[in-house]
Amino acid sequence: ILNVEQSPQSLHVQEGDSTNFTCSFPSSNFYALHWYRWETAKSPEALFVMTLNGDEKKKGRISATLNTKEGYSYLYIKGSQPEDSATYLCAFMTTDSWGKLQFGAGTQVVVTP
Amino acid sequence: NAGVTQTPKFQVLKTGQSMTLQCAQDMNHNSMYWYRQDPGMGLRLIYYSASEGTTDKGEVPNGYNVSRLNKREFSLRLESAAPSQTSVYFCASSGDWYNEQFFGPGTRLTVL
Repeated sequence: ILNVEQSPQSLHVQEGDSTNFTCSFPSSNFYALHWYRWETAKSPEALFVMTLNGDEKKKGRISATLNTKEGYSYLYIKGSQPEDSATYLCAFMTTDSWGKLQFGAGTQVVVTP
Repeated sequence: NAGVTQTPKFQVLKTGQSMTLQCAQDMNHNSMYWYRQDPGMGLRLIYYSASEGTTDKGEVPNGYNVSRLNKREFSLRLESAAPSQTSVYFCASSGDWYNEQFFGPGTRLTVL
Protein backbone atom coordinates (compact mmCIF):
# COMPACT_ATOMS: atom_id res chain seq x y z
CA ILE A 1 0.00 0.00 0.00
CA LEU A 2 1.43 3.32 -1.09
CA ASN A 3 0.90 6.21 1.30
CA VAL A 4 2.29 8.50 -1.37
CA GLU A 5 -0.03 9.14 -4.30
CA GLN A 6 1.12 10.72 -7.54
CA SER A 7 -1.26 11.96 -10.17
CA PRO A 8 -1.69 11.64 -12.98
CA GLN A 9 0.06 8.33 -13.67
CA SER A 10 1.11 9.61 -17.07
CA LEU A 11 0.70 12.63 -19.26
CA HIS A 12 1.56 13.69 -22.79
CA VAL A 13 2.71 17.24 -23.41
CA GLN A 14 3.43 19.14 -26.60
CA GLU A 15 6.88 20.66 -26.85
CA GLY A 16 6.77 24.21 -25.54
CA ASP A 17 3.74 23.67 -23.31
CA SER A 18 3.94 23.89 -19.54
CA THR A 19 2.61 21.23 -17.25
CA ASN A 20 2.34 20.28 -13.60
CA PHE A 21 1.51 17.24 -11.52
CA THR A 22 0.89 16.32 -7.92
CA CYS A 23 2.36 14.32 -5.08
CA SER A 24 0.08 13.71 -2.07
CA PHE A 25 1.33 12.35 1.24
CA PRO A 26 0.16 12.06 4.86
CA SER A 27 0.60 15.44 6.56
CA SER A 28 1.25 14.08 10.05
CA ASN A 29 4.85 13.73 11.29
CA PHE A 30 6.24 15.24 8.10
CA TYR A 31 10.00 15.61 7.82
CA ALA A 32 11.02 15.91 4.14
CA LEU A 33 9.80 15.53 0.57
CA HIS A 34 12.15 14.50 -2.25
CA TRP A 35 11.63 14.74 -6.01
CA TYR A 36 13.60 12.53 -8.41
CA ARG A 37 13.71 12.38 -12.19
CA TRP A 38 14.08 8.94 -13.80
CA GLU A 39 14.87 8.65 -17.48
CA THR A 40 14.40 5.36 -19.29
CA ALA A 41 17.42 3.03 -18.98
CA LYS A 42 19.03 5.31 -16.41
CA SER A 43 18.89 5.65 -12.63
CA PRO A 44 16.81 8.12 -10.61
CA GLU A 45 18.47 11.52 -10.15
CA ALA A 46 17.60 13.94 -7.37
CA LEU A 47 15.84 17.18 -8.28
CA PHE A 48 14.83 18.68 -4.94
CA VAL A 49 14.76 18.02 -1.21
CA MET A 50 12.11 20.13 0.54
CA THR A 51 11.49 20.36 4.26
CA LEU A 52 9.61 23.56 5.09
CA ASN A 53 5.95 24.35 4.52
CA GLY A 54 5.76 26.85 1.68
CA ASP A 55 9.14 25.84 0.28
CA GLU A 56 9.64 26.62 -3.39
CA LYS A 57 12.61 25.22 -5.28
CA LYS A 58 13.72 25.77 -8.87
CA LYS A 59 16.20 24.12 -11.20
CA GLY A 60 16.17 25.52 -14.70
CA ARG A 61 12.66 25.11 -16.11
CA ILE A 62 11.55 22.77 -13.34
CA SER A 63 10.19 24.02 -10.04
CA ALA A 64 8.37 22.54 -7.05
CA THR A 65 6.21 23.77 -4.19
CA LEU A 66 5.40 22.16 -0.87
CA ASN A 67 2.35 22.32 1.40
CA THR A 68 3.00 20.20 4.48
CA LYS A 69 -0.21 21.19 6.27
CA GLU A 70 -2.44 19.72 3.57
CA GLY A 71 0.05 17.08 2.43
CA TYR A 72 0.85 17.86 -1.20
CA SER A 73 3.63 19.01 -3.49
CA TYR A 74 3.42 20.22 -7.08
CA LEU A 75 6.11 19.84 -9.71
CA TYR A 76 6.00 22.28 -12.62
CA ILE A 77 7.77 22.06 -15.96
CA LYS A 78 7.80 25.30 -17.92
CA GLY A 79 8.15 25.18 -21.71
CA SER A 80 8.53 21.39 -21.90
CA GLN A 81 11.28 19.97 -24.10
CA PRO A 82 11.68 16.39 -25.39
CA GLU A 83 14.58 15.91 -22.95
CA ASP A 84 12.10 16.43 -20.08
CA SER A 85 10.53 13.08 -20.96
CA ALA A 86 11.00 10.92 -17.87
CA THR A 87 9.20 9.48 -14.87
CA TYR A 88 9.11 11.90 -11.94
CA LEU A 89 9.11 10.31 -8.50
CA CYS A 90 8.29 11.89 -5.21
CA ALA A 91 9.21 10.39 -1.84
CA PHE A 92 8.53 11.48 1.70
CA MET A 93 10.09 10.92 5.07
CA THR A 94 8.47 11.26 8.48
CA THR A 95 9.95 12.25 11.82
CA ASP A 96 9.58 8.68 13.07
CA SER A 97 11.21 7.05 10.03
CA TRP A 98 14.39 9.02 9.67
CA GLY A 99 16.40 7.99 6.67
CA LYS A 100 13.58 5.89 5.23
CA LEU A 101 12.03 7.36 2.12
CA GLN A 102 8.64 6.12 0.93
CA PHE A 103 8.29 6.56 -2.82
CA GLY A 104 5.25 7.12 -4.98
CA ALA A 105 4.77 5.16 -8.21
CA GLY A 106 5.68 8.20 -10.31
CA THR A 107 4.22 10.38 -13.04
CA GLN A 108 5.45 9.48 -16.52
CA VAL A 109 5.85 12.54 -18.73
CA VAL A 110 6.16 12.22 -22.51
CA VAL A 111 7.00 15.40 -24.43
CA THR A 112 6.32 15.20 -28.14
CA PRO A 113 7.92 17.56 -30.68
CA ASN B 1 34.30 9.55 -9.65
CA ALA B 2 32.30 6.43 -10.50
CA GLY B 3 29.53 7.40 -8.04
CA VAL B 4 27.52 4.33 -7.01
CA THR B 5 28.42 1.04 -8.69
CA GLN B 6 26.54 -2.25 -8.53
CA THR B 7 27.46 -5.77 -9.58
CA PRO B 8 26.21 -7.78 -11.31
CA LYS B 9 24.00 -5.93 -13.84
CA PHE B 10 21.93 -9.01 -14.61
CA GLN B 11 21.45 -12.34 -12.83
CA VAL B 12 19.23 -15.38 -13.28
CA LEU B 13 18.80 -17.71 -10.31
CA LYS B 14 16.87 -20.87 -9.67
CA THR B 15 14.52 -21.06 -6.70
CA GLY B 16 16.50 -21.84 -3.57
CA GLN B 17 19.84 -20.56 -4.80
CA SER B 18 21.68 -17.84 -2.92
CA MET B 19 23.56 -14.81 -4.11
CA THR B 20 25.00 -11.50 -2.99
CA LEU B 21 24.49 -8.18 -4.75
CA GLN B 22 27.41 -5.83 -4.33
CA CYS B 23 27.27 -2.04 -4.03
CA ALA B 24 30.07 0.48 -3.59
CA GLN B 25 30.23 4.27 -3.54
CA ASP B 26 33.22 6.57 -3.83
CA MET B 27 31.59 9.79 -2.59
CA ASN B 28 32.50 9.32 1.10
CA HIS B 29 28.81 9.08 1.94
CA ASN B 30 27.66 7.95 5.36
CA SER B 31 24.28 6.46 4.42
CA MET B 32 23.51 3.65 2.00
CA TYR B 33 20.28 1.97 0.89
CA TRP B 34 18.90 -1.02 -0.96
CA TYR B 35 15.61 -0.71 -2.89
CA ARG B 36 13.62 -2.97 -5.13
CA GLN B 37 11.53 -1.70 -8.00
CA ASP B 38 8.47 -3.57 -9.21
CA PRO B 39 5.92 -2.43 -11.81
CA GLY B 40 3.26 -0.15 -10.31
CA MET B 41 4.84 -0.31 -6.85
CA GLY B 42 7.43 2.45 -6.88
CA LEU B 43 10.78 2.00 -5.20
CA ARG B 44 10.53 0.11 -1.91
CA LEU B 45 13.21 0.22 0.74
CA ILE B 46 14.62 -3.17 1.71
CA TYR B 47 17.35 -2.17 4.18
CA TYR B 48 19.30 0.90 4.95
CA SER B 49 22.52 1.83 6.74
CA ALA B 50 22.65 5.28 8.31
CA SER B 51 26.37 4.98 8.95
CA GLU B 52 29.15 2.43 8.97
CA GLY B 53 28.36 -0.29 11.48
CA THR B 54 24.58 0.23 11.53
CA THR B 55 21.77 -1.32 9.51
CA ASP B 56 18.00 -1.06 9.76
CA LYS B 57 15.04 -2.76 8.13
CA GLY B 58 13.00 -0.97 5.54
CA GLU B 59 9.56 -1.70 4.19
CA VAL B 60 10.24 -5.14 2.66
CA PRO B 61 13.17 -6.84 4.48
CA ASN B 62 11.90 -10.44 4.53
CA GLY B 63 14.15 -12.86 2.63
CA TYR B 64 17.13 -10.49 2.59
CA ASN B 65 20.18 -9.77 4.70
CA VAL B 66 22.67 -6.93 4.43
CA SER B 67 26.25 -6.20 5.41
CA ARG B 68 27.81 -2.76 5.68
CA LEU B 69 31.32 -4.01 5.07
CA ASN B 70 32.94 -0.59 5.45
CA LYS B 71 32.02 3.00 4.64
CA ARG B 72 32.17 2.35 0.88
CA GLU B 73 30.43 -1.01 0.53
CA PHE B 74 26.92 -2.29 1.30
CA SER B 75 25.94 -5.76 0.13
CA LEU B 76 22.53 -7.42 -0.13
CA ARG B 77 22.22 -11.19 0.25
CA LEU B 78 19.43 -13.48 -0.83
CA GLU B 79 19.87 -16.70 1.17
CA SER B 80 17.23 -18.77 -0.64
CA ALA B 81 15.86 -17.00 -3.68
CA ALA B 82 12.14 -17.13 -4.45
CA PRO B 83 10.28 -16.12 -7.64
CA SER B 84 8.71 -13.24 -5.65
CA GLN B 85 12.20 -11.72 -5.44
CA THR B 86 12.33 -11.24 -9.20
CA SER B 87 12.83 -7.49 -9.45
CA VAL B 88 15.22 -4.68 -10.27
CA TYR B 89 17.43 -3.84 -7.30
CA PHE B 90 18.89 -0.38 -6.78
CA CYS B 91 21.56 0.65 -4.35
CA ALA B 92 21.76 4.30 -3.31
CA SER B 93 23.86 6.49 -1.04
CA SER B 94 23.57 9.91 0.55
CA GLY B 95 25.89 12.17 2.49
CA ASP B 96 23.71 11.68 5.54
CA TRP B 97 20.22 10.24 6.02
CA TYR B 98 18.53 13.63 5.37
CA ASN B 99 20.34 14.39 2.07
CA GLU B 100 19.39 13.63 -1.52
CA GLN B 101 20.16 10.10 -2.61
CA PHE B 102 22.41 9.01 -5.48
CA PHE B 103 21.44 5.79 -7.22
CA GLY B 104 23.45 3.05 -8.84
CA PRO B 105 22.62 1.58 -12.27
CA GLY B 106 20.56 -1.31 -10.88
CA THR B 107 20.68 -5.11 -10.97
CA ARG B 108 17.98 -6.98 -12.86
CA LEU B 109 17.35 -10.27 -11.04
CA THR B 110 15.15 -13.09 -12.31
CA VAL B 111 14.35 -16.06 -10.10
CA LEU B 112 12.97 -19.07 -11.96
